[in-house]
Amino acid sequence: GQSLEQPSEVTAVEGAIVQINCTYQTSGFYGLSWYQQHDGGAPTFLSYNALDGLEETGRFSSFLSRSDSYGYLLLQELQMKDSASYFCAVMDSNYQLIWGAGTKLIIKP
Amino acid sequence: DTAVSQTPKYLVTQMGNDKSIKCEQNLGHDTMYWYKQDSKKFLKIMFSYNNKELIINETVPNRFSPKSPDKAHLNLHINSLELGDSAVYFCASSQDGLAGGRTDTQYFGPGTRLTVL
Repeated sequence: GQSLEQPSEVTAVEGAIVQINCTYQTSGFYGLSWYQQHDGGAPTFLSYNALDGLEETGRFSSFLSRSDSYGYLLLQELQMKDSASYFCAVMDSNYQLIWGAGTKLIIKP
Repeated sequence: DTAVSQTPKYLVTQMGNDKSIKCEQNLGHDTMYWYKQDSKKFLKIMFSYNNKELIINETVPNRFSPKSPDKAHLNLHINSLELGDSAVYFCASSQDGLAGGRTDTQYFGPGTRLTVL
């Protein structure tokens, strides 16, 4: 079966750096996406990696290693507003987006 | 203008009733989706629909039926509501890209919180 594994919860301190890992096992792979969802809100797109390496967008970066079926989302200079759930998602060979269960990021002052 | 909109935002109803949730996107996208998010935040794809094909997830009970009058609208009709249907339902849309270069970023509506009593 297809699966994505990510930690259920991560805690960090305001101003720090946190990394949320995602490993995947899917039938085919076109890319790894990350979405952010605040409590009571809708998921919003953060980043996409189709090729190996690091993609940087402001304080957020996303990394992919296709040979390891692994990626991560790196959040720097954490702010309280970054408290949210973060989902990784993989597009499989059928162009279907397979979702992880989400990681709840808790930020403490 | 809202890119993906859903109505209603909240829906409270009794077991056994039939209800519909409406979704509209003004992004010109070809593909629309329905997701169910339970209390544990797990996002489960229910349906995806584009100009050409309705893709049905086999784990979705046939009490759930999507209806698309045109490519900008995808409504979700639910018959004989059950307690376990209580969840947040999200509509989303994406623009199919070229194979090998597609991101297929999905844009989500605000969600409909369904409570079945």
